[in-house]
Amino acid sequence: GAGVSQSPSNKVTEKGKDVELRCDPISGHTALYWYRQRLGQGLEFLIYFQGNSAPDKSGLPSDRFSAERTGESVSTLTIQRTQQEDSAVYLCASSRTSAYNEQFFGPGTRLTVL
Amino acid sequence: GENVEQHPSTLSVQEGDSAVIKCTYSDSASNYFPWYKQELGKRPQLIIDIRSNVGEKKDQRIAVTLNKTAKHFSLHITETQPEDSAVYFCAASRAGAGNMLTFGGGTRLMVKP
Repeated sequence: GAGVSQSPSNKVTEKGKDVELRCDPISGHTALYWYRQRLGQGLEFLIYFQGNSAPDKSGLPSDRFSAERTGESVSTLTIQRTQQEDSAVYLCASSRTSAYNEQFFGPGTRLTVL
Repeated sequence: GENVEQHPSTLSVQEGDSAVIKCTYSDSASNYFPWYKQELGKRPQLIIDIRSNVGEKKDQRIAVTLNKTAKHFSLHITETQPEDSAVYFCAASRAGAGNMLTFGGGTRLMVKP
């Protein structure tokens, strides 16, 4: 079946502009995660959704970052007033549940803030 | 929160040799430890994982060991091949408490033919 998809694959924006990144999880996966990967570094957890529960936003680096998810479907990550340090690859992952289940990653969105 | 340290940051081996990558974690409540392989420009892919009730797990040329007392776990790749060249990430999480992964900094493995 289809894997996790993300759009756009690349986004170049100017400092101060808002951007919206989209993630389509695998159908039936109740858990969805957003991670950020800076160049040459590991992945940093940003936010987690599980079903209809309140999201865990503990990884969001500032109040410029927010995310939404409608039910168990698409999620959008919004970055307001982008800064150059926001440049990174933003990866989305989904899993069947939040228990001992493999997280399947999307291809990521490469964000470049000029 | 959890902190995961990974060593070495780069590792170069000759084809056919073994490669070992080590990780330590700080949160004794962590109970799920996956390893991901990420090829250049591609998404991370799970290659093996281990739960805290198991000390070792093998899958063909890949094995992972876990020492809960010392809070460290290792990835072992035997008979390395050029296609094993990639960046490998360890991670730790508390499955059942969200399972948010805390990643190590990555190891760039280069297998020379």
